[in-house]
Amino acid sequence: DTAVSQTPKYLVTQMGNDKSIKCEQNLGHDTMYWYKQDSKKFLKIMFSYNNKELIINETVPNRFSPKSPDKAHLNLHINSLELGDSAVYFCASSQDGRYRATFGSGTRLTVV
Amino acid sequence: RKEVEQDPGPFNVPEGATVAFNCTYSNSASQSFFWYRQDCRKEPKLLMSVYSSGNEDGRFTAQLNRASQYISLLIRDSKLSDSATYLCVVNEDTGGFKTIFGAGTRLFVKA
Repeated sequence: DTAVSQTPKYLVTQMGNDKSIKCEQNLGHDTMYWYKQDSKKFLKIMFSYNNKELIINETVPNRFSPKSPDKAHLNLHINSLELGDSAVYFCASSQDGRYRATFGSGTRLTVV
Repeated sequence: RKEVEQDPGPFNVPEGATVAFNCTYSNSASQSFFWYRQDCRKEPKLLMSVYSSGNEDGRFTAQLNRASQYISLLIRDSKLSDSATYLCVVNEDTGGFKTIFGAGTRLFVKA
């Protein structure tokens, strides 16, 4: 049973399109995250939600909008995709935010 | 100064070698510390938490020095399967906990 699952695993789309990535965790964790790992492999936090409330929003273009319908789900919607958005996006969750995070397997987004 | 800094790597070592990774963090109020491992094209996975008293898990030993804001990971008797990127991770309390990853150090263990 997958603990943190995100879909799709691969996403290839044209510039200017709008796309969504879904994430679900079945660990009962209170905190969920979105991370971006770019071509240089640097992993950077984008958003953090605790019990459906946004608690961290790093400097991310407002084309990126997270949505948490309940504490088990954190989806990421991206408007007007740009070439520079190409990266691997990881969803993660943790209990309380101070404990270790469990990651999903990643969504490899390619914007052409 | 970066929030979490690691040795740039890559480290190329023969099987059986001992290898040490170092990491420094900038926020003295950081709360918790971890080492993660990331294999090529895979998600990061927790290797071990790091405690002030130091902790060991088999061939892996982690140390934390809060005064120097320094974290280390020692791998003894390296195996081919240890080849991966090792990520130093720090949790900061900024009103909500923020997890910050170092850029990672790539390790290649050769036969």
